[in-house]
Amino acid sequence: EIVMTQSPASLSVSPGERATFSCRASQSVTYNIAWYQHKPGQAPRLLIYGASTRATGIPARFSGSGSGTDFTLTISSLQSEDFAVYYCQQYNNWPPRVSFGGGTKVEIK
Amino acid sequence: QVHLQESGPGLVKPSETLSLTCTVSGGSLDNYFWGWIRQPPGKGLEWIGYLSDTYSTNYNSSLRSRVTMSVDTSKNQFSLRLSSVTAADTALYFCARGTTLWPDWFFDLWGRGTLVTVSS
Repeated sequence: EIVMTQSPASLSVSPGERATFSCRASQSVTYNIAWYQHKPGQAPRLLIYGASTRATGIPARFSGSGSGTDFTLTISSLQSEDFAVYYCQQYNNWPPRVSFGGGTKVEIK
Repeated sequence: QVHLQESGPGLVKPSETLSLTCTVSGGSLDNYFWGWIRQPPGKGLEWIGYLSDTYSTNYNSSLRSRVTMSVDTSKNQFSLRLSSVTAADTALYFCARGTTLWPDWFFDLWGRGTLVTVSS
């Protein structure tokens, strides 16, 4: 199974600042990665798929990049509603064999 | 608007079987994957498995021996059974819709989750 490792585990950021966090796969997943935002008590929300394609309705301040084993999610200017936990997920192979990273918690500084 | 809602007992005894149902409202089960993901307290997300668009199953290898997923198209529901549970199976359980947008695949719609505690 492909292991996804996210770093850092938590990040303190001031509103308006840029936040960048990473996801590394234990083997190449080409571009087969998605990112999700999760707030307590809510359903997780799809942000990015295909490593860099924003899902419907996702603001342009969210961007994803990377390929192979190393991926990045960037929030260009953090808004109050962006403080949450972010997960990466790979879906390599067909049918997809799925695994999630451990998450990065973005907290208010 | 499609909505997913998990339901089932919130407390299960050790060694028994956990059973959850996800009801899909506002849309059809056709042409999508239907999955289960869980989040143990204080931990990250763990994929449990899914029913494909042809209703074949694909399970996390670490849980495969204990997991069964099924679908009831007449009720627009799909279900999870996890046998021989222990305290390690205590988690928030989510159901989710998997969508294929070739070559990509992702969970684009999730339920809010239901907490299942394993305790005697």
